[in-house]
This record gives sequence, C-alpha cells and structure tokens, in this order.
Amino acid sequence: KQEVTQIPAALSVPEGENLVLNCSFTDSAIYNLQWFRQDPGKGLTSLLLIQSSQREQTSGRLNASLDKSSGRSTLYIAASQPGDSATYLCAVSIGQAGTALIFGKGTTLSVSS
Amino acid sequence: GAVVSQHPSRVICKSGTSVKIECRSLDFQATTMFWYRQFPKQSLMLMATSNEGSKATYEQGVEKDKFLINHASLTLSTLTVTSAHPEDSSFYICSARNHLAAGNTIYFGEGSWLTVV
Repeated sequence: KQEVTQIPAALSVPEGENLVLNCSFTDSAIYNLQWFRQDPGKGLTSLLLIQSSQREQTSGRLNASLDKSSGRSTLYIAASQPGDSATYLCAVSIGQAGTALIFGKGTTLSVSS
Repeated sequence: GAVVSQHPSRVICKSGTSVKIECRSLDFQATTMFWYRQFPKQSLMLMATSNEGSKATYEQGVEKDKFLINHASLTLSTLTVTSAHPEDSSFYICSARNHLAAGNTIYFGEGSWLTVV
C-alpha cells in the first residue's frame, strides 16, 4: 500500500530564507507526483506536477525534484515571503488511467516578516 | 479561474438530514471525478472514485449507502451525505481529471465545509 510522508510537519522561517520541504513515498511505481498549496479552510492549488520520467520542475521561486528510485521528492522555495505561508501537500498518482492521488499530511509553513 | 466548481462552499445541516454537494468541471469533460474528505489537521483521504455512467468505486471503510455518489453527466458529480451525523462534519473536496490535458491533469474544487449540528 502506497504511503506518503512529509517532513517536517511544521516549519517557521523568517522572510527571505530559502527552504526545503521533503516528501517520501513507499512504492516507487508512481505515474506522477504533484505538490499543492492549501490555505486555511480553502481548497488546493496545484504548484508543480512532475511526471515519473522527469527529474524536476520549476515555477518561479519554486523548484520540485523527483527521485523515483529512492522514493523522494523535495520542494525548494527560494527567498520565502509571508505570502508563502500555507500548508504544502505532496501527492502521488499510481495509475496512468488517472487514479486518485495519495496525499501526505502536509507541511505547514509560516514565514514571518 | 477555477476549472472545477464545488457547491455549496459551506453548509450546516441538522443531524439526520441529507445534504448534497455538487462538483462541476467547467470547461472540460470529466469521465472520472474523485471525492476526498479532510478532517482538521489531517490529510485528504480518498472516499470514492466517481465514474460517468457507472457506479462509483468506494474506498475501504467508506459506506456507499451513506455517501451516495452520482455522476450522471460528463461535467457533474454529486455527493450526498445521507442521514448526516456530527461525526460527518468535515471538509469535502472533489477533483476532476482532464484526460485530454497533458499528463492527465487533475483539478481540484475549492471544497465544501459540512457542519452537522
């Protein structure tokens, strides 16, 4: 059974700091991996989608890497801002047919000004 | 803008009543939609996979007679919580798969807060 773990569960940093969020999954047979942002009481915003054949994806200050063989992904946030404060969720898809995503519990990030 | 719309965003109902939550794909056809539930400070847990024109597939431990799912069209799936109880209070969120988009992109709705009193 696929399990997704995110470390740390919570993180507090001062504005401007670079930071890394970690995600690990137990079964390397994934179709893709996706990072989401969730603001309190809100839905999900997709940040980056990495296909199983890819090693990384970048969008603005965000960079996500994927090492499928070791079951790990990292989300790198450069020059953090208070507006980055949110919960970041990692999720894997295990079927090409578009099966559901399996989520980690998330990392709650707080960036202070 | 949102490509998956969920309604209502918040609903309060009395214990024992039923409540329906709608999930619509706005500019694409979704043969498959997914329903998740999220308890406070927990991750999203898949409840069921909604397939257009056929019965939903429920995850282990989810009561299909309590959480009725109907996917009657390519743009609409509904989740009905029947005989709701306070322990059903949660954040319910749907997603829809655009199989025509690159990488089978999945879009999420904005979620629905259900409070059963």
